[in-house]
Order: sequence, then C-alpha cells, then structure tokens
Amino acid sequence: AQSVAQPEDQVNVAEGNPLTVKCTYSVSGNPYLFWYVQYPNRGLQFLLKYITGDNLVKGSYGFEAEFNKSQTSFHLKKPSALVSDSALYFCAVRGSWGKFQFGAGTQVVVTP
Amino acid sequence: NAGVTQTPKFRILKIGQSMTLQCTQDMNHNYMYWYRQDPGMGLKLIYYSVGAGITDKGEVPNGYNVSRSTTEDFPLRLELAAPSQTSVYFCATSPNPGLLSYEQYFGPGTRLTVT
Repeated sequence: AQSVAQPEDQVNVAEGNPLTVKCTYSVSGNPYLFWYVQYPNRGLQFLLKYITGDNLVKGSYGFEAEFNKSQTSFHLKKPSALVSDSALYFCAVRGSWGKFQFGAGTQVVVTP
Repeated sequence: NAGVTQTPKFRILKIGQSMTLQCTQDMNHNYMYWYRQDPGMGLKLIYYSVGAGITDKGEVPNGYNVSRSTTEDFPLRLELAAPSQTSVYFCATSPNPGLLSYEQYFGPGTRLTVT
C-alpha cells in the first residue's frame, strides 16, 4: 500500500524568501507523485507532477519540486515566496487502480 | 469545458434525512472519486470508480452509496444523515494513465452540515 507523509503542519516564511514544503512517500513500484494547492473555500488545484524523467519538475505559479528516489522524497519549492502563496498544500501519490493517497496537508503562511 | 461540476454548493440536512450529491464531468475521464475533507484535515476517499458500471469502496464508505451508470456522472448518496457526515465533499476525476496525464481534477466542493 502507498503512503505519503508531510511532516510539517505549517510552514512560515517571509515574502521574498525561499519556500520549501516537505513530502516523503512509500510506494511499491514506480512512484507517480503530485502536488496540489487549496485556497480557502476552494477545491484542490494541480501544481505539478513527477511521472518519469528529470528529477526536477516545474509547475504552475513558479513552483518546482525535486524527486529524490534514494530519500523517497518529493519536496515542493519556490525560490521567492509571495503573500498570495499562502494556502494549504497537499502531496499525493497515485497507486494501483488509480487510487490516490494524500498527505495530511501543510499550511503555508507567507508574511509581508 | 466546464470540467468537474458539483451540486449543490451548500446544504443543511436534519439528522436522518437523505440526499444525493451530484458530480458531472465533461472531460471523458474514466476515473472518478469522492472525497470528504473535515475541518483542518486532509482528504479521505469515500468511493471511487474506474469506469461506468464499476465502483469500489475507499477508506470511509460507511453511510454512503454511489452509482456510475454513465462516464459523465458519479452521484454520491447519503442515507440517514448523521452529524459525523458534516464535511466538505469533493468530487474528482482522472484520465486513463496511457496519456501520461495522471493528475486529478477537482470540483469546487459541496459543503454539507447535518444538524
């Protein structure tokens, strides 16, 4: 069975500073990994994914993520955070039969 | 394209009432899912479907039922509503894996309160 861990409930960062949101996973076989963002009272929006290929994947809104197979991690990064990046971020892994396992979510707070 | 639509947006139910949450997609995706999200929590899978006529239970199926008679529609039925079913419900879809487009697409959610 697959699983995802997001070790931080909340990440606080000042605007303009780098932002990192951590995610580790456990899955048998090749991992299909995803990041989603949720703004208040909205559904989840897809940010980026790793399926195969380059370990550094780029996504929407200037976000990127680094896949590290040896550390079974898929951390989300942004070089310079904006106040508008404040939201709830979810890491997810797709397993067998198309079922997704989501992490518990990490609240990102970017202060001006 | 409307994507994934959910109705209603909000609903208040009394204990013991029943209702159906509607989910419709126009993306021709085979996979469809129902999740619930409790306040400050992550997503829990209620039911999912890999295609018309095929459904299966997720982590928290008790108190719910689904059907999938068409590719487009995946309604979620609540029977005998209980306060523990107060939550935000999200429908999602995902295409067949063959196109390397594995991500899910979410609807805007239905906020349900049971009192």
